[in-house]
Amino acid sequence: QVQLVDSGGGMVQPGRSLRLSCAASGFAFSLYAMHWVRQAPGRGLEWVAVISFDGSKRYYADSVRGRFIISRDNSKNTLSLQMNSLRDEDTAVYYCARDLLGYCGDTSCYGGYFDYWGQGTLVTVSS
Amino acid sequence: EIVLTQSPGTLSLSPGERATLSCRASQSLSSNYLAWFQQRPGQAPRVLIFGASTRAPGIPDRFSGSGSGTDFTLTISRLEPEDFAVYYCQHYGSSYTFGQGTKLEIK
Repeated sequence: QVQLVDSGGGMVQPGRSLRLSCAASGFAFSLYAMHWVRQAPGRGLEWVAVISFDGSKRYYADSVRGRFIISRDNSKNTLSLQMNSLRDEDTAVYYCARDLLGYCGDTSCYGGYFDYWGQGTLVTVSS
Repeated sequence: EIVLTQSPGTLSLSPGERATLSCRASQSLSSNYLAWFQQRPGQAPRVLIFGASTRAPGIPDRFSGSGSGTDFTLTISRLEPEDFAVYYCQHYGSSYTFGQGTKLEIK
């Protein structure tokens, strides 16, 4: 069965870096675009980033562009999120999610809904 | 940028009642790229509906989605105890935007 396991969260000081991982199993990981979505404590959902099935295309929310890097290793069925220059407002539970039916073009990915989600990993940015 | 506005913010109903949740987009959504998610406390979101009206695999038929353009609705025909949760709509077009959520609570 499809499984996504998020890890790597923790407490970090503002300005520092953290790397999240999402281990995928139960499906052909290399055929699917993947996303990161976050949820600040007590708040709603915010899309963070998407990467195409082969890693050739990556798109980001304005709030993280230039600070976060999404990547994947299809040989290890792993999705990653490198978070740099962390701010207090990056405090959230971070979820990876699989994209079903989507397409990634030259300016964006679109058309794919999020059919499976990881359990989430909490990132706390605080001094 | 498309903004999704959900209403009401909180909906108080009893088990067995019918729930109607609204999601309004600031502009017409291309190809009805609209999904609904359920999130229970401490859990990841779960997709209920995609393409505005198609139930995701394994979702009970008491959940239904409708609408097009800028106005979309999630209907739960007869509430079960496990349906009390927070519900989000999402546009998955050229940008990925979530509504702010509707909390469905037991009356």
